[in-house]
Amino acid sequence: DAGVTQSPTHLIKTRGQQVTLRCSPKSGHDTVSWYQQALGQGPQFIFQYYEEEERQRGNFPDRFSGHQFPNYSSELNVNALLLGDSALYLCASSLAAGQAYNEQFFGPGTRLTVL
Amino acid sequence: GQNIDQPTEMTATEGAIVQINCTYQTSGFNGLFWYQQHAGEAPTFLSYNVLDGLEEKGRFSSFLSRSKGYSYLLLKELQMKDSASYLCAVRERIYNQGGKLIFGQGTELSVKP
Repeated sequence: DAGVTQSPTHLIKTRGQQVTLRCSPKSGHDTVSWYQQALGQGPQFIFQYYEEEERQRGNFPDRFSGHQFPNYSSELNVNALLLGDSALYLCASSLAAGQAYNEQFFGPGTRLTVL
Repeated sequence: GQNIDQPTEMTATEGAIVQINCTYQTSGFNGLFWYQQHAGEAPTFLSYNVLDGLEEKGRFSSFLSRSKGYSYLLLKELQMKDSASYLCAVRERIYNQGGKLIFGQGTELSVKP
């Protein structure tokens, strides 16, 4: 059973460019959340997708957008990259609510460096 | 506001016991999670508490007091491989699916021989 997968593993971009990160959830999961983790910090919630819609959003600007596909995989897009966007981007998958305990399983992350 | 506090760093000796504390203030509460994260890797799940009390899982135990907004993670019989960052995360009360996690900054634990 494959866990959460993310691609690419590493990415280097320059300021002003755009980037797309990809995530495939754990088998059987239908909800995908994205987090940004700066060095030495805890992950910060970006947004969550379920049924191809953004359900919750954290305090991130509109430059951060996403999408969920019918197979539950998801993309995170960041436009007009800034140096401060350099971070580890984590994708986490889970089951829909209705279950009292729905742990989020994290993928290995994409390390984005903006020069 | 939302705030989760945990110590930045801790050091302990192999074979000993260490307790990592976490205090939280969030707009809603629907469970507290502890994750372990080795450098450059994804966080991995350790424990979950939603009711007050102690949850034990092998060498790891986690405690929750909702009235005090307090949790701790207890690691027994420390091993060198336990050197990692330990993340405390609160899940907000949810009305739809999943629920977002609010993380503390993490506690970097160093286990010495």
